[in-house]
Amino acid sequence: GENVEQHPSTLSVQEGDSAVIKCTYSDSASNYFPWYKQELGKRPQLIIDIRSNVGEKKDQRIAVTLNKTAKHFSLHITETQPEDSAVYFCAASSNFNKFYFGSGTKLNVKP
Amino acid sequence: DTAVSQTPKYLVTQMGNDKSIKCEQNLGHDTMYWYKQDSKKFLKIMFSYNNKELIINETVPNRFSPKSPDKAHLNLHINSLELGDSAVYFCASSPKNMNTEAFFGQGTRLTVV
Repeated sequence: GENVEQHPSTLSVQEGDSAVIKCTYSDSASNYFPWYKQELGKRPQLIIDIRSNVGEKKDQRIAVTLNKTAKHFSLHITETQPEDSAVYFCAASSNFNKFYFGSGTKLNVKP
Repeated sequence: DTAVSQTPKYLVTQMGNDKSIKCEQNLGHDTMYWYKQDSKKFLKIMFSYNNKELIINETVPNRFSPKSPDKAHLNLHINSLELGDSAVYFCASSPKNMNTEAFFGQGTRLTVV
């Protein structure tokens, strides 16, 4: 099965700085890579996703990059704000909706 | 209006009991999932159903039995509960084979004492 590794497990940044979270995956059949944000006590919610035919995608302050050759993808958050503090999960999925999640990164944005 | 709803939100029970968690989605999705999130926040897939048929069973003990009476519902029944079953259980759904966003329910926090 797919194995998704995520780093770092915790990340503390100053408000206004950038945050980068990295993930690797093992299954070359994976072709969809969503990122979820989970606030304390809440459900995971999609913030951005990327498909294997695209190398980069941006939505305002967040961006995701994908390197299919190296099997890694990253989440970039610029101009971080305290409300960005949450646990972030990467995931990889193949054509049969098998979502496998990374172990999560707890992001703390200090005011 | 809730897209994916789970009940109950909290469940406290004693070891050895049998309990069920219900999940319903009104998005018209064909695929539904159960995920377990432990105290370290790992989100691990347990089961996936596609239009009432089991397509993923990730080596979950057979004390856990999912049941899908129709494609809008995926319930989780747990027999002989153990302390290690304490976790937050999330139901989710997504469209069939479209590799798009999975929508999560609000989670059920199960505490076994």
